[in-house]
Amino acid sequence: DAGVTQSPTHLIKTRGQQVTLRCSPKSGHDTVSWYQQALGQGPQFIFQYYEEEERQRGNFPDRFSGHQFPNYSSELNVNALLLGDSALYLCASSLGGTGISTDTQYFGPGTRLTVL
Amino acid sequence: DQQVKQNSPSLSVQEGRISILNCDYTNSMFDYFLWYKKYPAEGPTFLISISSIKDKNEDGRFTVFLNKSAKHLSLHIVPSQPGDSAVYFCAASVNNNDMRFGAGTRLTVKP
Repeated sequence: DAGVTQSPTHLIKTRGQQVTLRCSPKSGHDTVSWYQQALGQGPQFIFQYYEEEERQRGNFPDRFSGHQFPNYSSELNVNALLLGDSALYLCASSLGGTGISTDTQYFGPGTRLTVL
Repeated sequence: DQQVKQNSPSLSVQEGRISILNCDYTNSMFDYFLWYKKYPAEGPTFLISISSIKDKNEDGRFTVFLNKSAKHLSLHIVPSQPGDSAVYFCAASVNNNDMRFGAGTRLTVKP
């Protein structure tokens, strides 16, 4: 049973560039949430996708956008990268479009983004 | 605004003893609380949760206590095992929305 997978594992970009991160949910899951975890901090909720639509959003600027595909996989796009966007980006999947604070949310290993 | 705080960045205990991880929150509207465990190079994994209508939830060696008047949450691990060594995050939400995480506590269990 494949768990949540994310790609790439690591990424280095320069300020002003754009980046796309990818996530495949756990088999059978249809909901994907994205989190940003800065060094020494806990994960911060970015947004959640269900039925190919953004259903919930945290306190992140419009530079952060996403997409969900018919196969439930998802992308996180960040435009005009800032140094402060350097973080571990975590994807979590769940079932049924339920709220994000559910114990049935499974996290991937994350993508480490470094902005120089 | 850091609504969920874990004031101890690290904790070290001896194998077989009790580990107590603490978490404080400021938003009295939080109605659901969770603990996650994170190993290096892995995503957080769900450990245990508690609803605001309860003050205790137990699952094997793990017990979560909720003190709403003090806005305080704690996780007890008894007995602690070396495999419990990880970073522990507490998290909280209101009506299942916008889950807030603490900064984490690194637990080291020494053999």
